Amino acid sequence: AQSVTQLDSQVPVFEEAPVELRCNYSSSVSVYLFWYVQYPNQGLQLLLKYLSGSTLVKGINGFEAEFNKSQTSFHLRKPSVHISDTAEYFCAVSDPGGATNKLIFGTGTLLAVQP
Amino acid sequence: EPEVTQTPSHQVTQMGQEVILRCVPISNHLYFYWYRQILGQKVEFLVSFYNNEISEKSEIFDDQFSVERPDGSNFTLKIRSTKLEDSAMYFCASSDSGGTAHEQFFGPGTRLTVL
Repeated sequence: AQSVTQLDSQVPVFEEAPVELRCNYSSSVSVYLFWYVQYPNQGLQLLLKYLSGSTLVKGINGFEAEFNKSQTSFHLRKPSVHISDTAEYFCAVSDPGGATNKLIFGTGTLLAVQP
Repeated sequence: EPEVTQTPSHQVTQMGQEVILRCVPISNHLYFYWYRQILGQKVEFLVSFYNNEISEKSEIFDDQFSVERPDGSNFTLKIRSTKLEDSAMYFCASSDSGGTAHEQFFGPGTRLTVL
């Protein structure tokens, strides 16, 4: 069975500073990895995904994430954040060989960007 | 841009009552999902649905839960006799393919409060 850990429940950061949101996963099989973002009063929106190939994945809004198999991590980064990046960020995995593409999520990290 | 919608945004009910949460998936999507998030906990998979039947369900999805696609546009989650521990945010999602690489599009969620 897979599981996802997001150790930071909240990350405060000043505008234009870099940020890293951490995600670690546990799985006995290879997985697909995802980052979703939830803005206030909206649904979950896909930021980026890793399926295979290059371990550095670029997504929307200037975000990127790096898959590290040896550390079972998929940390999300942005070199310079904006106030508008304030949102909840969810890391998720799915099993490529699974019966359906259910997603297994972490508990989320609230990114709070301050002016 | 097409989006998944959910109604109501907030539902308050008494313990033991039946509730129906409604979702309108993206029109050309064929795969539908329900997830829930208890406050402060992980987003959890409940059920996936394709071709008018359940494809996969989690341990949470017991006999108190049911899903239905009553017409060509709606996808509903029914809880027959609500319990206090059913209080959570419920997310509906849809995708155009069941393959794990395909993006799931999420609705804004329904917050269910059981008193």
